[in-house]
Amino acid sequence: QVQLVQSGAEVKKPGSSVKVSCKVSGGTFSNYAISWVRQAPGQGLEWMGGIIPIFGTTNYAQKFQGRVTITADESTSTAYMELSSLRSEDTAVYYCARPQRITIFLDAFDIWGRGTMVTVSS
Amino acid sequence: EIVMTQSPATLSVSPGERATLSCRASQSVSSNLGWYQQKPGQAPRLLIYGASIRATGIPARFSGSGSGTEFTLTISILQSEDFALYYCQQYNNWPLVTFGGGTKVEIK
Repeated sequence: QVQLVQSGAEVKKPGSSVKVSCKVSGGTFSNYAISWVRQAPGQGLEWMGGIIPIFGTTNYAQKFQGRVTITADESTSTAYMELSSLRSEDTAVYYCARPQRITIFLDAFDIWGRGTMVTVSS
Repeated sequence: EIVMTQSPATLSVSPGERATLSCRASQSVSSNLGWYQQKPGQAPRLLIYGASIRATGIPARFSGSGSGTEFTLTISILQSEDFALYYCQQYNNWPLVTFGGGTKVEIK
């Protein structure tokens, strides 16, 4: 059974950066894209971007271009999302998610991590 | 960017009744549409993909329909565990995946 295991909660100062990890266990890592979706408190879901590890290809939502970097380490089956220049509006739960089909970004997500709470506060 | 609009924002339904949730896309997304259920403190769970195909393990009381710009999620006989938030998602428009604002199904 494939699981996405995320790193723990973070508290960050405005202007700093955060790096969240997502380890894939129990299944293939490199062939499937990993996307990052965030959810601010009481709000809806917002797709940030993703990576296909086998190609190293990344795809970012325009809103986050220049501020988010998504990487993957095939040796540890782990994807990372780093968000810089943090502000209070970035306070949210950050989820990693995997699509149903291999090597594509645009798909329904059938496997999700449990989420990582990132709090940005001075 | 394709905008996904869900209605109503809140749906009050009694257990055992039918719930009908709507999702509209600002332009055609073909059948590249998914539905998710989310309960408090949990990650979303995929219910429907391809607009009408139930995901693995999803009960038959959940059904999806539509194509193009108009989509519907129907829960035929509401169970207590079905009271939750529901989101639609389009995955047709490169390079973006976008979600609707959600519909809360609450107990009447």
